[in-house]
Amino acid sequence: GQQLNQSPQSMFIQEGEDVSMNCTSSSIFNTWLWYKQDPGEGPVLLIALYKAGELTSNGRLTAQFGITRKDSFLNISASIPSDVGIYFCAGQLGTDSWGKLQFGAGTQVVVTP
Amino acid sequence: NAGVTQTPKFQVLKTGQSMTLQCAQDMNHNSMYWYRQDPGMGLRLIYYSASEGTTDKGEVPNGYNVSRLNKREFSLRLESAAPSQTSVYFCASRSTGLTGELFFGEGSRLTVL
Repeated sequence: GQQLNQSPQSMFIQEGEDVSMNCTSSSIFNTWLWYKQDPGEGPVLLIALYKAGELTSNGRLTAQFGITRKDSFLNISASIPSDVGIYFCAGQLGTDSWGKLQFGAGTQVVVTP
Repeated sequence: NAGVTQTPKFQVLKTGQSMTLQCAQDMNHNSMYWYRQDPGMGLRLIYYSASEGTTDKGEVPNGYNVSRLNKREFSLRLESAAPSQTSVYFCASRSTGLTGELFFGEGSRLTVL
């Protein structure tokens, strides 16, 4: 079954606010990934993390690979209307190139003007 | 850039009917995947194909079959559709290597009455 716990389930924020979400796991992952899904579209990769403790930024997005390798967080700074969507964390157990990903349940972000 | 293409985008079936979801990728990726997305459940892996000629079960394979027709195409078949298979289905492909990003199609929304 699903081993990733993603929180919060949903967030209603005002434009300009910062957003923070996280994922925790009962398993140790070798890779953490963060995806965003716009309505009616497939998920798109935002940030990939490959080492414990790694902190990576992509524009207004920052994500970290937890030291224990069992958690990760994603921050969005100064939110804008186009940040609306569902954000998914995903973890990979193996190091094989075809390794299966496990996905969190997603965080629905709604940005109000 | 086509990327990952899925057909059909929408389908309504009656219980017991069969259908095949088609997926094709033009990125020369070795690995291909079928996921289903349900509210509050995130993305769950149905089947995957690590390379041409191989297929393996994912987390929720019951009621589905797959065919890796060639390197480009990976189809998902429902032999006898059930209401529990009402979902949004995503095909994805992935390149070789640790940094291999999952590329998703736009999804196929299936309703089983």
